[in-house]
Amino acid sequence: DARVTQTPRDKVTEMGQEVTMRCQPILGHNTVFWYRQTMMQGLELLAYFRNRAPLDDSGMPKDRFSAEMPDATLATLKIQPSEPRDSAVYFCASGLKTTGGWTEAFFGQGTRLTVV
Amino acid sequence: AQTVTQSQPEMSVQEAETVTLSCTYDTSESDYYLFWYKQPPSRQMILVIRQEAYKQQNATENRFSVNFQKAAKSFSLKISDSQLGDAAMYFCAYRREGGAQKLVFGQGTRLTINP
Repeated sequence: DARVTQTPRDKVTEMGQEVTMRCQPILGHNTVFWYRQTMMQGLELLAYFRNRAPLDDSGMPKDRFSAEMPDATLATLKIQPSEPRDSAVYFCASGLKTTGGWTEAFFGQGTRLTVV
Repeated sequence: AQTVTQSQPEMSVQEAETVTLSCTYDTSESDYYLFWYKQPPSRQMILVIRQEAYKQQNATENRFSVNFQKAAKSFSLKISDSQLGDAAMYFCAYRREGGAQKLVFGQGTRLTINP
């Protein structure tokens, strides 16, 4: 059963600490998205990658957030330093883009981040 | 920029009854896709149904169907024979054809099923 795996599922951290969220996309998928869900803003796109290269990170605060794909099986989202306003659920999603089309994105279960 | 609006923050329905969730969107594109996602308390985002804008026929998936009105930019979800397991947040989403496959989401509607 192919799925997107995110770790940790929940994270509580103190303000100022570094937070790293990890995502394992579905094997073979070449596109990875990071979305953030808050009560106020809803679901918004932070960044996305195709074939491990960042294509759009305009939704991401550049001063404290960074997203990378060290290899095709791992995507990371880091926040340093974390702030209480970063508290949210962070979703990773993956899909496959080919010349023939696109599979719709499959979502992980999200990482709920609480910054105190 | 594309926007998606869900005007019903909360809805409730009696078990076995039918409920309709509303969604409107704004885009200047002619080719695009619309979706309804379900988010139960487990947080998992589950794709419920997809509609291609070029298709006039409304999509259906078992008890779930949509009413797609392209000219009005309206995309409602009808759930027939509501079940307790249908209780969740429902998000309407838009994706344009080609380019980035990113989704633009509405604010969501919380659906409660009353036994």
